[in-house]
Amino acid sequence: DIQMTQSPSTLSASVGDRVTITCRASQNVGTLLAWYQQKPGKAPKLLIYKASTLQSGVPSRFSGSGSGTEFTLTISSLQPDDFATFYCQQYNTYSYTFGQGTKLEI
Amino acid sequence: QVQLQESGPRQVKPSQTLSLTCTVSGGSLRSTFYWTWIRHLPGEGLQWIGYVYHRSTTYYNPSLRGRLSISLDTSKNQFFLNLSYVTAADTAVYYCARGDDYGGKLDSWGQGALVTVSS
Repeated sequence: DIQMTQSPSTLSASVGDRVTITCRASQNVGTLLAWYQQKPGKAPKLLIYKASTLQSGVPSRFSGSGSGTEFTLTISSLQPDDFATFYCQQYNTYSYTFGQGTKLEI
Repeated sequence: QVQLQESGPRQVKPSQTLSLTCTVSGGSLRSTFYWTWIRHLPGEGLQWIGYVYHRSTTYYNPSLRGRLSISLDTSKNQFFLNLSYVTAADTAVYYCARGDDYGGKLDSWGQGALVTVSS
Protein backbone atom coordinates (compact mmCIF):
# COMPACT_ATOMS: atom_id res chain seq x y z
CA ASP A 1 0.00 0.00 0.00
CA ILE A 2 1.02 3.60 -0.55
CA GLN A 3 1.74 5.25 2.79
CA MET A 4 0.46 8.78 3.31
CA THR A 5 2.20 10.88 5.95
CA GLN A 6 0.77 14.17 7.14
CA SER A 7 2.54 16.89 9.05
CA PRO A 8 2.11 18.26 11.53
CA SER A 9 -0.07 15.86 13.52
CA THR A 10 -1.43 18.76 15.53
CA LEU A 11 -1.49 22.42 14.62
CA SER A 12 -2.42 25.25 16.93
CA ALA A 13 -3.62 28.43 15.27
CA SER A 14 -5.88 31.42 15.70
CA VAL A 15 -8.80 32.85 13.78
CA GLY A 16 -7.44 34.81 10.82
CA ASP A 17 -4.21 32.82 10.55
CA ARG A 18 -2.96 31.27 7.31
CA VAL A 19 -2.16 27.61 7.83
CA THR A 20 -0.63 24.90 5.69
CA ILE A 21 -0.82 21.13 6.13
CA THR A 22 1.55 18.85 4.24
CA CYS A 23 0.88 15.35 2.94
CA ARG A 24 3.63 13.13 1.56
CA ALA A 25 3.08 9.92 -0.38
CA SER A 26 5.49 6.99 -0.31
CA GLN A 27 5.09 6.65 -4.10
CA ASN A 28 4.10 8.90 -6.95
CA VAL A 29 0.31 9.40 -6.97
CA GLY A 30 0.22 12.02 -9.70
CA THR A 31 -2.55 14.44 -8.79
CA LEU A 32 -5.01 11.82 -7.56
CA LEU A 33 -5.19 13.20 -4.06
CA ALA A 34 -8.13 14.43 -2.01
CA TRP A 35 -8.45 16.38 1.23
CA TYR A 36 -11.24 15.91 3.79
CA GLN A 37 -12.31 17.79 6.89
CA GLN A 38 -13.82 15.88 9.81
CA LYS A 39 -15.44 17.29 12.91
CA PRO A 40 -16.08 15.19 16.05
CA GLY A 41 -18.99 12.80 15.61
CA LYS A 42 -19.44 13.71 11.95
CA ALA A 43 -18.52 12.11 8.66
CA PRO A 44 -15.57 13.44 6.69
CA LYS A 45 -16.39 16.16 4.18
CA LEU A 46 -14.66 16.40 0.82
CA LEU A 47 -12.81 19.70 0.40
CA ILE A 48 -10.38 19.22 -2.48
CA TYR A 49 -9.94 16.56 -5.18
CA LYS A 50 -7.40 16.03 -7.94
CA ALA A 51 -4.95 17.80 -5.63
CA SER A 52 -6.22 21.30 -6.34
CA THR A 53 -9.87 21.27 -7.44
CA LEU A 54 -12.23 22.80 -4.91
CA GLN A 55 -15.34 20.73 -4.27
CA SER A 56 -18.58 22.56 -4.96
CA GLY A 57 -19.77 24.57 -1.99
CA VAL A 58 -16.41 24.65 -0.21
CA PRO A 59 -15.20 28.17 0.69
CA SER A 60 -12.45 29.60 -1.48
CA ARG A 61 -10.17 30.13 1.54
CA PHE A 62 -9.33 26.42 1.14
CA SER A 63 -6.82 25.54 -1.55
CA GLY A 64 -4.70 22.56 -2.48
CA SER A 65 -1.51 22.13 -4.44
CA GLY A 66 1.14 19.61 -5.31
CA SER A 67 1.75 16.57 -7.43
CA GLY A 68 3.74 13.37 -7.33
CA THR A 69 4.61 12.78 -3.70
CA GLU A 70 4.18 16.12 -1.95
CA PHE A 71 0.95 18.01 -1.43
CA THR A 72 -0.32 20.89 0.67
CA LEU A 73 -3.66 22.09 1.94
CA THR A 74 -3.79 25.79 2.76
CA ILE A 75 -6.46 27.72 4.59
CA SER A 76 -5.89 31.37 3.82
CA SER A 77 -7.70 32.93 6.79
CA LEU A 78 -8.93 30.60 9.49
CA GLN A 79 -12.55 30.89 10.52
CA PRO A 80 -14.03 29.50 13.77
CA ASP A 81 -15.81 26.75 11.81
CA ASP A 82 -12.53 25.46 10.36
CA PHE A 83 -11.18 23.86 13.52
CA ALA A 84 -11.32 20.13 12.84
CA THR A 85 -9.18 17.20 11.74
CA PHE A 86 -7.99 17.08 8.13
CA TYR A 87 -7.09 13.97 6.14
CA CYS A 88 -5.42 13.49 2.80
CA GLN A 89 -6.23 10.44 0.66
CA GLN A 90 -4.53 9.05 -2.43
CA TYR A 91 -6.62 7.39 -5.11
CA ASN A 92 -3.98 6.65 -7.67
CA THR A 93 -3.35 3.06 -6.61
CA TYR A 94 -5.50 0.43 -4.94
CA SER A 95 -6.14 0.14 -2.19
CA TYR A 96 -6.75 3.81 -1.58
CA THR A 97 -5.12 5.09 1.59
CA PHE A 98 -5.52 7.99 3.97
CA GLY A 99 -3.07 10.02 5.98
CA GLN A 100 -3.17 9.73 9.75
CA GLY A 101 -4.80 13.15 10.12
CA THR A 102 -3.87 16.65 11.23
CA LYS A 103 -5.82 18.10 14.12
CA LEU A 104 -6.23 21.85 13.79
CA GLU A 105 -6.97 23.38 17.16
CA ILE A 106 -7.34 26.82 18.62
CA GLN B 1 -28.78 16.11 -3.08
CA VAL B 2 -27.85 12.49 -2.42
CA GLN B 3 -28.02 11.27 1.17
CA LEU B 4 -26.69 8.03 2.64
CA GLN B 5 -27.64 6.32 5.89
CA GLU B 6 -26.05 3.27 7.51
CA SER B 7 -28.13 0.76 9.43
CA GLY B 8 -27.55 -2.60 11.06
CA PRO B 9 -26.54 -4.23 14.35
CA ARG B 10 -24.20 -2.13 16.45
CA GLN B 11 -22.80 -5.05 18.41
CA VAL B 12 -21.43 -8.25 16.93
CA LYS B 13 -19.87 -11.23 18.69
CA PRO B 14 -16.35 -12.38 17.78
CA SER B 15 -16.21 -14.84 14.87
CA GLN B 16 -19.64 -13.74 13.64
CA THR B 17 -20.50 -11.63 10.59
CA LEU B 18 -20.82 -7.87 10.67
CA SER B 19 -23.61 -6.77 8.33
CA LEU B 20 -24.46 -3.19 7.45
CA THR B 21 -26.86 -1.63 4.98
CA CYS B 22 -26.49 1.75 3.34
CA THR B 23 -29.73 3.30 2.10
CA VAL B 24 -29.33 5.94 -0.58
CA SER B 25 -31.87 8.68 -1.18
CA GLY B 26 -31.84 11.49 -3.70
CA GLY B 27 -29.86 9.43 -6.18
CA SER B 28 -29.93 6.08 -7.93
CA LEU B 29 -27.60 3.14 -7.44
CA ARG B 30 -28.00 2.54 -11.15
CA SER B 31 -25.80 5.58 -11.75
CA THR B 32 -22.10 5.15 -12.49
CA PHE B 33 -20.75 5.89 -9.07
CA TYR B 34 -18.65 3.73 -6.81
CA TRP B 35 -20.61 2.76 -3.71
CA THR B 36 -17.97 2.56 -1.05
CA TRP B 37 -17.38 1.51 2.55
CA ILE B 38 -14.75 3.11 4.78
CA ARG B 39 -14.09 2.62 8.46
CA HIS B 40 -12.48 4.70 11.17
CA LEU B 41 -10.50 2.47 13.48
CA PRO B 42 -10.15 3.82 17.02
CA GLY B 43 -6.77 5.39 17.63
CA GLU B 44 -5.70 4.66 14.07
CA GLY B 45 -7.38 6.41 11.23
CA LEU B 46 -9.48 5.96 8.17
CA GLN B 47 -9.29 2.70 6.26
CA TRP B 48 -10.78 2.26 2.80
CA ILE B 49 -12.67 -1.05 2.76
CA GLY B 50 -13.89 -1.38 -0.81
CA TYR B 51 -16.63 -0.62 -3.29
CA VAL B 52 -19.27 -2.01 -5.60
CA TYR B 53 -19.65 -0.41 -9.00
CA HIS B 54 -22.14 -0.81 -11.80
CA ARG B 55 -24.16 -3.53 -10.10
CA SER B 56 -21.52 -6.19 -9.64
CA THR B 57 -17.96 -4.98 -10.09
CA THR B 58 -16.21 -4.90 -6.76
CA TYR B 59 -12.82 -4.07 -5.37
CA TYR B 60 -11.81 -4.99 -1.85
CA ASN B 61 -8.96 -3.95 0.38
CA PRO B 62 -6.56 -6.91 0.18
CA SER B 63 -6.14 -6.87 3.95
CA LEU B 64 -9.84 -7.78 4.26
CA ARG B 65 -10.26 -9.92 1.16
CA GLY B 66 -11.52 -13.36 2.02
CA ARG B 67 -13.75 -12.01 4.79
CA LEU B 68 -15.45 -9.22 2.85
CA SER B 69 -18.44 -8.97 0.59
CA ILE B 70 -20.01 -5.79 -0.82
CA SER B 71 -23.17 -5.93 -2.92
CA LEU B 72 -26.11 -3.79 -3.90
CA ASP B 73 -29.84 -4.00 -4.54
CA THR B 74 -30.91 -1.39 -7.07
CA SER B 75 -34.61 -2.09 -6.47
CA LYS B 76 -34.23 -0.97 -2.85
CA ASN B 77 -31.52 1.63 -3.53
CA GLN B 78 -29.34 -0.02 -0.93
CA PHE B 79 -25.86 -1.47 -0.81
CA PHE B 80 -24.41 -3.81 1.76
CA LEU B 81 -21.30 -4.70 3.70
CA ASN B 82 -20.68 -8.14 5.10
CA LEU B 83 -17.49 -8.81 7.05
CA SER B 84 -17.12 -12.31 8.41
CA TYR B 85 -15.09 -13.79 11.25
CA VAL B 86 -14.82 -10.48 13.03
CA THR B 87 -12.51 -9.80 15.96
CA ALA B 88 -12.13 -6.88 18.33
CA ALA B 89 -9.81 -5.31 15.76
CA ASP B 90 -12.84 -4.78 13.52
CA THR B 91 -14.47 -2.46 16.07
CA ALA B 92 -14.81 0.86 14.24
CA VAL B 93 -17.13 3.53 12.93
CA TYR B 94 -18.26 2.30 9.53
CA TYR B 95 -19.18 4.81 6.85
CA CYS B 96 -20.83 4.34 3.50
CA ALA B 97 -20.01 6.85 0.81
CA ARG B 98 -20.48 7.68 -2.85
CA GLY B 99 -17.32 7.74 -4.89
CA ASP B 100 -16.48 9.21 -8.24
CA ASP B 101 -13.21 9.27 -10.19
CA TYR B 102 -12.60 5.52 -9.94
CA GLY B 103 -14.04 5.64 -6.46
CA GLY B 104 -11.41 7.95 -5.07
CA LYS B 105 -13.37 11.14 -4.80
CA LEU B 106 -15.77 10.47 -1.92
CA ASP B 107 -18.22 13.30 -2.23
CA SER B 108 -21.15 12.14 -0.09
CA TRP B 109 -20.97 10.18 3.16
CA GLY B 110 -23.36 8.61 5.61
CA GLN B 111 -23.23 9.76 9.22
CA GLY B 112 -21.42 6.61 10.31
CA ALA B 113 -22.28 3.60 12.46
CA LEU B 114 -20.21 2.52 15.44
CA VAL B 115 -19.98 -1.26 15.45
CA THR B 116 -18.45 -2.94 18.46
CA VAL B 117 -17.16 -6.50 18.37
CA SER B 118 -17.54 -7.96 21.81
CA SER B 119 -18.81 -11.10 23.46
